[in-house]
Amino acid sequence: QVHLVESGGGVVQPGRSLRLSCAASGFTFSNFAMHWVRQAPGKGLEWVAVISYDEGNIYYADSVEGRFTISRDNSKNTLYLQMNSLRAEDTAVYFCARDVNDFGDSHFDYWGQGTLVTVSS
Amino acid sequence: DIQMTQSPSSLSASVGDRVTITCRASQGISSWLAWYQQKPGKAPKLLIFGASTLQSGVPSRFSGSGSGTDFTLTISSLQPEDFATYYCLQANSFPRTFGQGTKVEIK
Repeated sequence: QVHLVESGGGVVQPGRSLRLSCAASGFTFSNFAMHWVRQAPGKGLEWVAVISYDEGNIYYADSVEGRFTISRDNSKNTLYLQMNSLRAEDTAVYFCARDVNDFGDSHFDYWGQGTLVTVSS
Repeated sequence: DIQMTQSPSSLSASVGDRVTITCRASQGISSWLAWYQQKPGKAPKLLIFGASTLQSGVPSRFSGSGSGTDFTLTISSLQPEDFATYYCLQANSFPRTFGQGTKVEIK
């Protein structure tokens, strides 16, 4: 069965960096696009970024463009989110989610359980 | 960016009630709409995609309809396990955008 496990969250000071990971299992990771979605405490869902199966297509939300970088290692079945210049408003639970196709232009069918990032001095 | 306006933001209902949640897109998205259910502390769960296709394993009391700009999620007979927050997602273009959510509470 499809299993996505995020890690790397924690408490970080404003302006610092953090890298999140999402370990995938139960499916052929290299065949699917992947997304990051976040949810601030008590708030709704916000899409963050997408990466196609081959890293050929990458898109970001305006709120993170230029600060966050999505990447993947298909040999390790792992998705990453490098987060730089973190701000208080980046505080959220970060979910990875699988797209139903390889390009990333559809909906998400499976989600991880999320990892909490808290940006605070 | 496509804005997704979901209504109501919350509702109170009883077990057995018929519940309807709507989502309106700021521009046409054909049938590129999905619905998710989220319970506290959990990841969202896919219910409906393509505006009206039920995800495998989802009870048939859930249904979706609409195309273009106006969409509806209906729960035909609310069950205790359905009390949760529901979100729509437009999958027509980037950036992906979600509705603000509808919290379904026990009356």
